[in-house]
Amino acid sequence: AQSVSQHNHHVILSEAASLELGCNYSYGGTVNLFWYVQYPGQHLQLLLKYFSGDPLVKGIKGFEAEFIKSKFSFNLRKPSVQWSDTAEYFCALKGGGADGLTFGKGTHLIIQP
Amino acid sequence: DTEVTQTPKHLVMGMTNKKSLKCEQHMGHRAMYWYKQKAKKPPELMFVYSYEKLSINESVPSRFSPECPNSSLLNLHLHALQPEDSALYLCASSQSPEHAYEQYFGPGTRLTVT
Repeated sequence: AQSVSQHNHHVILSEAASLELGCNYSYGGTVNLFWYVQYPGQHLQLLLKYFSGDPLVKGIKGFEAEFIKSKFSFNLRKPSVQWSDTAEYFCALKGGGADGLTFGKGTHLIIQP
Repeated sequence: DTEVTQTPKHLVMGMTNKKSLKCEQHMGHRAMYWYKQKAKKPPELMFVYSYEKLSINESVPSRFSPECPNSSLLNLHLHALQPEDSALYLCASSQSPEHAYEQYFGPGTRLTVT
């Protein structure tokens, strides 16, 4: 079985602070990993994705994530957050086969002006 | 057009009602998905349609009945639901089942069962 765990359920930061959201996964085979964002009242949007190759992937809005295979981790980072980054962030995994995504429980990020 | 649309946006129904949720995409995608998202929880996969055929049913109760009438449309028929079925129902699509790693999500239908 595959699973995704996000360590922080609620994170509160001030503007310009650096951000790192943790994500660990459990799956025995080759994985595709994703970070999705859900802004208040809006639908899920893909921030970034990892398939293979360079373990450091860059996404939209200045976000990046690093895949560390030995740690089964895919942490999301941003060097300087903005108030508009307030949202719910989901880490997700797709294992082998034609199936859907497995999501972590999400991290609610609040950026204070 | 890179949009997945869902109707209605909101739905309130009683436990004896029959209703349907609709999802549409015109990106030529051949895989479509239904997810259920409870408040403050992650989306959970319910069904996967691959080339208009049901390929995955994640042990969803029979009061939820999916239908894929053509490659652009995906329906979710609801009957005799329970209050605990109240949730946001998300539809997604991908180019093909093999491209399930790149799913486009719709805005969802917020369902309330009274």
